[in-house]
Amino acid sequence: AQSVTQLDSQVPVFEEAPVELRCNYSSSVSVYLFWYVQYPNQGLQLLLKYLSGSTLVESINGFEAEFNKSQTSFHLRKPSVHISDTAEYFCAVITISGSARQLTFGSGTQLTVLP
Amino acid sequence: DAGVIQSPRHEVTEMGQEVTLRCKPISGHDYLFWYRQTMMRGLELLIYFNNNVPIDDSGMPEDRFSAKMPNASFSTLKIQPSEPRDSAVYFCASSQIRGTEAFFGQGTRLTVV
Repeated sequence: AQSVTQLDSQVPVFEEAPVELRCNYSSSVSVYLFWYVQYPNQGLQLLLKYLSGSTLVESINGFEAEFNKSQTSFHLRKPSVHISDTAEYFCAVITISGSARQLTFGSGTQLTVLP
Repeated sequence: DAGVIQSPRHEVTEMGQEVTLRCKPISGHDYLFWYRQTMMRGLELLIYFNNNVPIDDSGMPEDRFSAKMPNASFSTLKIQPSEPRDSAVYFCASSQIRGTEAFFGQGTRLTVV
């Protein structure tokens, strides 16, 4: 069985400061990894994903995440946050076996950017 | 494409009533997922379909919950009878068989009083 752990439920940070949201996963098979963002009263939107290739992936709004297989981690980082980055962030894992597809989410991290 | 469409956006009902949530996935997507989001439990996968066939319904909390996908463009999640603890935001998502990204609808906020 797979699982996703987001250790920090709340991360407050000042505007223009760097931030790291942590994500660890466990799975007995190869995985695809995702970060989703949820703004208030909205659905989840894909922020970035790792499928294969380069272990460092980037989003269009300055976030990046690095897949670390040995540490089974996929931490999300941004060097300088904006007020508009305030949202809840979910790490997710997909394992694929035949036609079965299990998409599992972490418990979420609420990022609050303070002025 | 308009994305995943869920209806209604908000539903308030009395305990004991039947509730039906609806979802239209993105055309061409072969997978459809139903999730429930609460403060206490976060995002929980309830059930998912592949080519209209339920693959895993182990997340469905009780027999009061049922889901159907009569065709590739429509799915329902029904709660009968509803209880106050069913109050949550219910999300539908879809993805392609070869793709891996799941696209989410805006959700249905259910309140059972």
